[in-house]
Amino acid sequence: QVQLQESGPGLVKPSETLSLTCTVSGYSISSGYYWGWIRQPPGKGLEWIGSIYHSGSTYYNPPLKSRVTISVDTSKNQFSLKLKSVNAADTAVYFCARSSRAADGNCFQQWGQGTLVTVSS
Amino acid sequence: QSALTQPASVSGSPGQSITISCTGTSSDIGGYNYISWYQQHPGKAPKLMIYDVSDRPSGVSNRFSGSKSGNTASLTISGLQAEDEADYYCSSYTSSNSLVFGTGTKVTVL
Repeated sequence: QVQLQESGPGLVKPSETLSLTCTVSGYSISSGYYWGWIRQPPGKGLEWIGSIYHSGSTYYNPPLKSRVTISVDTSKNQFSLKLKSVNAADTAVYFCARSSRAADGNCFQQWGQGTLVTVSS
Repeated sequence: QSALTQPASVSGSPGQSITISCTGTSSDIGGYNYISWYQQHPGKAPKLMIYDVSDRPSGVSNRFSGSKSGNTASLTISGLQAEDEADYYCSSYTSSNSLVFGTGTKVTVL
């Protein structure tokens, strides 16, 4: 059974880069599926950040595209998120997730537990 | 891109049916059948309840059903149970080759 676990700093200073890693167990990322990042500010709704296909193709939410990079490290069975020039509005719980189907990334069935990242000096 | 519009809250008594709407545009809901619904309990990760407008993943109760008409998708929960009390989010593929979530609906079981 596939499991996902987010990791990274819980506190990031304004203007710096937020970096998170999602470690996948029970499935090899290189075998397929889309892998995504979704965030949720405290008390607010979900926001899709972007996704990466196992081959390395990336898809980003247009409003965030200029600040986001998602990459995959198949040797470690991990994928990562980098969000640059953060501000307080980027404070959120960040989830990593796997698509429900190998063929498309339109919905996510397996999720990590989420990790809270606070942007503050 | 703007979030899909959902009612902030919906409530019902045990055993009743409720419907949550999710309104978008022809660039998202109206243009594609890649509409999903998620259930989220406090402090937990979202759980996929419906995909492709009306399909249920294995293990999801058949009390949950989805539909779409024009630019509006709907999630119906029949035979409402206490465990259904949670936040619900819709999601749609968009013409920008991206995904957009709804604003979220809090379901209260009276």
